[in-house]
Amino acid sequence: DADVTQTPRNRITKTGKRIMLECSQTKGHDRMYWYRQDPGLGLRLIYYSFDVKDINKGEISDGYSVSRQAQAKFSLSLESAIPNQTALYFCATSGQITGELFFGEGSRLTVL
Amino acid sequence: SQKIEQNSEALNIQEGKTATLTCNYTNYSPAYLQWYRQDPGRGPVFLLLIRENEKEKRKERLKVTFDTTLKQSLFHITASQPADSATYLCALARGSYIPTFGRGTSLIVHP
Repeated sequence: DADVTQTPRNRITKTGKRIMLECSQTKGHDRMYWYRQDPGLGLRLIYYSFDVKDINKGEISDGYSVSRQAQAKFSLSLESAIPNQTALYFCATSGQITGELFFGEGSRLTVL
Repeated sequence: SQKIEQNSEALNIQEGKTATLTCNYTNYSPAYLQWYRQDPGRGPVFLLLIRENEKEKRKERLKVTFDTTLKQSLFHITASQPADSATYLCALARGSYIPTFGRGTSLIVHP
């Protein structure tokens, strides 16, 4: 089983719908992240969490919210999806010392 | 503002040659720099980390250099193979250890 699991892997939705992307990890890491990847723009940080009670905005948090339900679970929500939120979304975790990230396989979201 | 630059043009090389990818940065003093590999439609995979006080790091066919004066890291793959074809991302971090990523460079190794 993968260390970092994202669901769903692919989702097509319509403008205005609420979408939740879920992430769970078995690495035992405290730190979890949500990134968005667009062609030509690289990975951009949406939200991050250093422990269950800690939530922080990243570079592009507008239009998104997150919930850290447990050490192992970190979900990303789009309250009212819009077409420019069409992208590949990655969840990642890291240990505290060196910070190298362990990524999930990604969730491809298409908003029509 | 902080800027991380990786060559947006794909690097094409012949199998067996050494591939060299560049990561330049400005307005930043990273404590360490990381390199990741990403295959199409997959999540990035961590390859190597080098700290600001290290000049060079090696792992099997991979070598990373870090020049804080030039604000540049070079990533080398020796004896490259078609299986090395992928996009390679550099990431820099300091302080809270949240890496900031470059846009990546695509490497294509031709048989």
